[in-house]
Amino acid sequence: LAKTTQPISMDSYEGQEVNITCSHNNIATNDYITWYQQFPSQGPRFIIQGYKTKVTNEVASLFIPADRKSSTLSLPRVSLSDTAVYYCLVGDMSGNYGGSQGNLIFGKGTKLSVKP
Amino acid sequence: GAVVSQHPSRVICKSGTSVKIECRSLDFQATTMFWYRQFPKQSLMLMATSNEGSKATYEQGVEKDKFLINHASLTLSTLTVTSAHPEDSSFYICSARSRPIAGDTQYFGPGTRLTVL
Repeated sequence: LAKTTQPISMDSYEGQEVNITCSHNNIATNDYITWYQQFPSQGPRFIIQGYKTKVTNEVASLFIPADRKSSTLSLPRVSLSDTAVYYCLVGDMSGNYGGSQGNLIFGKGTKLSVKP
Repeated sequence: GAVVSQHPSRVICKSGTSVKIECRSLDFQATTMFWYRQFPKQSLMLMATSNEGSKATYEQGVEKDKFLINHASLTLSTLTVTSAHPEDSSFYICSARSRPIAGDTQYFGPGTRLTVL
């Protein structure tokens, strides 16, 4: 079970690039890295997922170094509406769904506050 | 991404009554659905995992007789909170995934706010 560590909170200003790093030193070979965004009183929203190197989609980029012991979610030019909690999950989605897989276990997340 | 809905979005009930929450995958078949609970200012806590057509697997500390889960079809799972008490008041969130393969992600519903008086 890969445990993740993220900063509890981060502050930024509109228009800036925000990078949130997640440590997962015990990541296993079959584990993927997934990031979610959650607004108050809403379910988490999938942002991006990756296994290695770099992944980019329309909302974010995910950088994963060669050792995969950490990952960085990059949000370009944030706006006020990006204020939310961001969760990093690590785990293998295949096989047994016994409930102890890392990608089903949420850590405390990073509360991002974007200011005008 | 895939769409997951929940109903109701919020419910208020009296202590001792039972409440049923529905979770539906709208545009894909969910072989597995998950139920989470989230208390104010805390992270999501996994309660149970359910595979279509089989019994749910509950996390340690979650009472299976109190939180009844039924995953009767590939698009619907229900969570019934039986004999609800004020301490069961929480935000309940379901998620679903379609394929049991590495890298396949889970998509979350909007959540259900339960308040037990």
